[in-house]
This record gives sequence, C-alpha cells and structure tokens, in this order.
Amino acid sequence: DVKVTQSSRYLVKRTGEKVFLECVQDMDHENMFWYRQDPGLGLRLIYFSYDVKMKEKGDIPEGYSVSREKKERFSLILESASTNQTSMYLCASSLTAGGEETQYFGPGTRLLVL
Amino acid sequence: EDQVTQSPEALRLQEGESSSLNCSYTVSGLRGLFWYRQDPGKGPEFLFTLYSAGEEKEKERLKATLTKKESFLHITAPKPEDSATYLCAVRSNAGKSTFGDGTTLTVKP
Repeated sequence: DVKVTQSSRYLVKRTGEKVFLECVQDMDHENMFWYRQDPGLGLRLIYFSYDVKMKEKGDIPEGYSVSREKKERFSLILESASTNQTSMYLCASSLTAGGEETQYFGPGTRLLVL
Repeated sequence: EDQVTQSPEALRLQEGESSSLNCSYTVSGLRGLFWYRQDPGKGPEFLFTLYSAGEEKEKERLKATLTKKESFLHITAPKPEDSATYLCAVRSNAGKSTFGDGTTLTVKP
C-alpha cells in the first residue's frame, strides 16, 4: 500500500513564525504536490515537484517555499506565518505507469496561525 | 485559465437510488481528469483517472465517464458508506492541477 505521511495532523503557530510542514512518501514516486484546502475555495495547488531539487509554482505560491532534497521528502515552508495561512494543508505524490497516473494524498495538516 | 465546476453542490439519495455527479471543465490541454472521494477530516482518496473522450472506468458501484467538456461519476445502487464528498480535478499539459469544489453526497438508509 502506498503511504504518504505528513509530520503533524494539527499545528498551532504564531504570526511571524517560520513553519515547516514535512511530507514523506514510501513508494519512490517522482511527483509530489502541496495543496491547501479551504471551505468554499476547494483545493488549490501551492507548489509541485517532478524530481529531486526541482520545483514548480502552482496557483498560489506567494508566502510559501518548498524543498525537495530527497526523492521521498517534500517540505513546505512558511517563511513568516500569517493568519491568512490558516488552512488544511495536503501533500500528495503520484506515479505514472503505463501511461496511467495515480495520485495519493496524505492525511493533511490542519494549521492554525494566531 | 483552467476551470472545473461540479454539480450539484450537495446530493441526498435514498439507499439504492442511482444518480450521477457532474464535472464540467475547461483546460488548456488535458493531461488527465481525476476523481477522488474525501471523508471529513481526511485527505482525498484516489478513485479514477480518465485521459480521453469516450473513456470509462468502473470500481464497485462507481463508474466514471469522460467527454471533451465534462465527466460524470455514476453511482449505482448507493449505500450509506458511499456518503462522502466527491472531488473532480483536471491536470493540464503544463502539469498544473485544478480542483472543483466537490459534491457532497449523503445516502440515507
């Protein structure tokens, strides 16, 4: 079974703090993604990566950065947390095999910024 | 700009009452269309990927179909455990994913 794990289920931080969200997948997937999910706005793509040390901006990258030093790990960094970054953060990884892509999500991290 | 619109927003069915969920999309080059199921407080669970118009995929009581403008998720004889939010997403050839807001399905016994 593919497993995507996220470092925390719940996190409370103060405005201005640097926040690290870690995501690890155990199936050697090349593609990894970070989304945030907000009521009424759906899932929005923050960043994605198709290979180690490679990153691409999604639809809402402002205020975020990412790091992919190893294939299995994709980190999301909030350089200076703000209250409008309170959200559910979801990591995903995907595999393309035989022309078919399958995407797996982690359980999510619910971040509250005070 | 890529767009995904799902309808209805919410759907209430009696157990055994078949129905369909709709996902209308516009995308600059479709790499794939994805369907997910999401239970409250959890991450989405992958269901299907569709790539070209006319393609169909089935899994238990679910069947997904694709045209050039929309996709349908047909639910045959649903059970209460099928209650969840169903999400549709498109991946463009540029690699970006765009999600719809989801359809929340409630199946009453």
